Amino acid sequence: QVQLQESGPGLVKPTQTLSLTCIVSGGSISTNNYYWNWIRQPPGEGLEYIGYISHSGSTYYNPSLKSRVTISSDASKNQFSLSLRSVTAADTALYYCARAGNGALIIAAPDYWGQGTLVTVSS
Amino acid sequence: DVVMTQTPLSSPVTLGQPASISCRSSQSLVHSDGNTYLTWLQLRPGQPPRLLIYKISNRFSGVPDRFSGSGAGTDFTLKISRVEAEDVGVYYCVQLTHFPWTFGQGTKVEIK
Repeated sequence: QVQLQESGPGLVKPTQTLSLTCIVSGGSISTNNYYWNWIRQPPGEGLEYIGYISHSGSTYYNPSLKSRVTISSDASKNQFSLSLRSVTAADTALYYCARAGNGALIIAAPDYWGQGTLVTVSS
Repeated sequence: DVVMTQTPLSSPVTLGQPASISCRSSQSLVHSDGNTYLTWLQLRPGQPPRLLIYKISNRFSGVPDRFSGSGAGTDFTLKISRVEAEDVGVYYCVQLTHFPWTFGQGTKVEIK
C-alpha cells in the first residue's frame, strides 16, 4: 500500500519561502509512469493544482504559480518537495501531495494522497 | 485553463435515496490518445481526498458499486444509487486531460 505524508512548517511569514516535503512509502518515486503532485486547498475554497515532478525528474508548474514554485525530488530518500517563494496570505492553504499514473497506466488518476498539511502565512 | 462547472453545489439527500452530480467542462476532455481523463474525488472531513472514479466510469479499488460515473466529451455525471451516512462529504470532478489539472467547485452531499 502506497502511503504519502507531508511534512513542513505550519507557519510561514509573508515574503518568505514555504517548503514542504512529501515522504513516500510502499512504492518508489522512480517507478516508471508515475508522477508526483502537489495540490492545495485554501480555507473554505476549492482545490488548486500546483504542479508535478515525474519519475524521470521532469517538472510541470501551474502557470499561475510558475514564477514562484520549484518541485524537486530525492530518490535516495524516496521523497519529493515543494518550494513556494515570496508567499502572501493568499498562499494559506491545506497542501496535499498525491501520486498519479500517466496515460500508459490503466489507473491514470491521482490514486494515493497524503493527509494534507495546513500552512498559514502570517507575521 | 479548462473550466469545470459542477451542479448542484449542495445536495441534501435522504438516506437510501439516490444522488446525482453533474460536471461540465469548457472544452472536450478527450485526449489525443483517445482516453477521457475525467476523475471524481471524495473529500470527507478530516480525511485526504479519495479517488472514486477515473476515466469517466471506472471505480477505483474498494469503491462501493453504488457509485457510478458516466458521460462523454464535456458532460459527466456521478451517481450514488443509495446514499449512506458515510457518503457525506464534498465531491469534486477533476480533469486530467489538459494541464494544469482543474477541479470543479465541489458538491456538498449531506443527509436531510
